[in-house]
Amino acid sequence: DAGVTQSPTHLIKTRGQQVTLRCSPKSGHDTVSWYQQALGQGPQFIFQYYEEEERQRGNFPDRFSGHQFPNYSSELNVNALLLGDSALYLCASSLGAADTQYFGPGTRLTVL
Amino acid sequence: AQSVTQLGSHVSVSEGALVLLRCNYSSSVPPYLFWYVQYPNQGLQLLLKYTSAATLVKGINGFEAEFKKSETSFHLTKPSAHMSDAAEYFCAVSDPGGYQKVTFGTGTKLQVIP
Repeated sequence: DAGVTQSPTHLIKTRGQQVTLRCSPKSGHDTVSWYQQALGQGPQFIFQYYEEEERQRGNFPDRFSGHQFPNYSSELNVNALLLGDSALYLCASSLGAADTQYFGPGTRLTVL
Repeated sequence: AQSVTQLGSHVSVSEGALVLLRCNYSSSVPPYLFWYVQYPNQGLQLLLKYTSAATLVKGINGFEAEFKKSETSFHLTKPSAHMSDAAEYFCAVSDPGGYQKVTFGTGTKLQVIP
């Protein structure tokens, strides 16, 4: 049984560019949440998708957007990248929005 | 708003000694509480969770945590530290109702000294 998978593993972008990160949830899970983990910090909640809609959102600007597909996989898009967007981006999936979240290995984004 | 505070960003213990990682929470409703572990360059792995059932929760790898409402605490313990326990540990809290937004603490790095 595959767990949560994320791609790519690492990504390097320059300021002003746009980036798309991808997440496939654990088999049987229908809810995907995204987190940003800056170096030396705990993960910060970005948003959660359920039934292809954004259900909750953390304190992140509109430059951060997402999408959930009918197969429950999800994308995180970040526009107009800033140096401060450099972080580990974690995807978590769950069965239903209130269930325990299981995390993927993350995508390390570096903005130069 | 919910929050957790982890006391001590770094904790060092000798191999075989007791591990105690402290977490205090703030929540306006009875919360769900979690401990996650993160090894270098990896994602988060769930150690254990409290969801309003038994106050003493047993997790994987010999860890356990006790929910103490009067102290608003959820400290993580392990009787005997192993070298493989060296990692970063995160306490987290969520609202049990509705859509789950998990709020994490800032983490505690555990060093195990041989």
